Amino acid sequence: KAGVTQTPRYLIKTRGQQVTLSCSPISGHRSVSWYQQTPGQGLQFLFEYFSETQRNKGNFPGRFSGRQFSNSRSEMNVSTLELGDSALYLCASSLGTGSGVQAFFGQGTRLTVV
Amino acid sequence: AQSVSQHNHHVILSEAASLELGCNYSYGGTVNLFWYVQYPGQHLQLLLKYFSGDPLVKGIKGFEAEFIKSKFSFNLRKPSVQWSDTAEYFCAVNAGYSSASKIIFGSGTRLSIRP
Repeated sequence: KAGVTQTPRYLIKTRGQQVTLSCSPISGHRSVSWYQQTPGQGLQFLFEYFSETQRNKGNFPGRFSGRQFSNSRSEMNVSTLELGDSALYLCASSLGTGSGVQAFFGQGTRLTVV
Repeated sequence: AQSVSQHNHHVILSEAASLELGCNYSYGGTVNLFWYVQYPGQHLQLLLKYFSGDPLVKGIKGFEAEFIKSKFSFNLRKPSVQWSDTAEYFCAVNAGYSSASKIIFGSGTRLSIRP
């Protein structure tokens, strides 16, 4: 069974640009969530999608947005990039709701903003 | 709101030493607890998890953790570490009612093992 796949693996963007990251969950998983990992702030929850609907959102500005498609694939978009957005962005998928369900993480997309 | 505290930012041990990494969480209800490991250059992997039942859980690579509800703690242990255990370790919590994918992580503990 293929794991969680994130593309691209590495990305360099300029301040002010926008970026779209992609995540393909494990087959059959309907929940996808996104995390930002930085040395200073650690791993922070961005948002979660289930059946194409955003169900939870972390404390990030509106420049961070996402969506989920009918095949459960998800994209994350960051507009008007800032230097502080440089981070490893991780995607996790799980079967869905409820206690006792495990999330599986992808390898991440390393975004560098210059 | 849920939060997770990891007491040690960086732990340095010699091979064969015993390991205990502290983790405390704040949440009054039912929780699911996890320890994740991130080896250099690799993705986040689940070491072990506690959902319910026996509070002493065993994970991969000889790691175990004990859930002590009265202390809101979920400390990670390993009797004898190896050089290959060098990695960053994250304690995490997920409230029992919420989606499996909304996980709150601790700040991480970097473990360095001297050969």
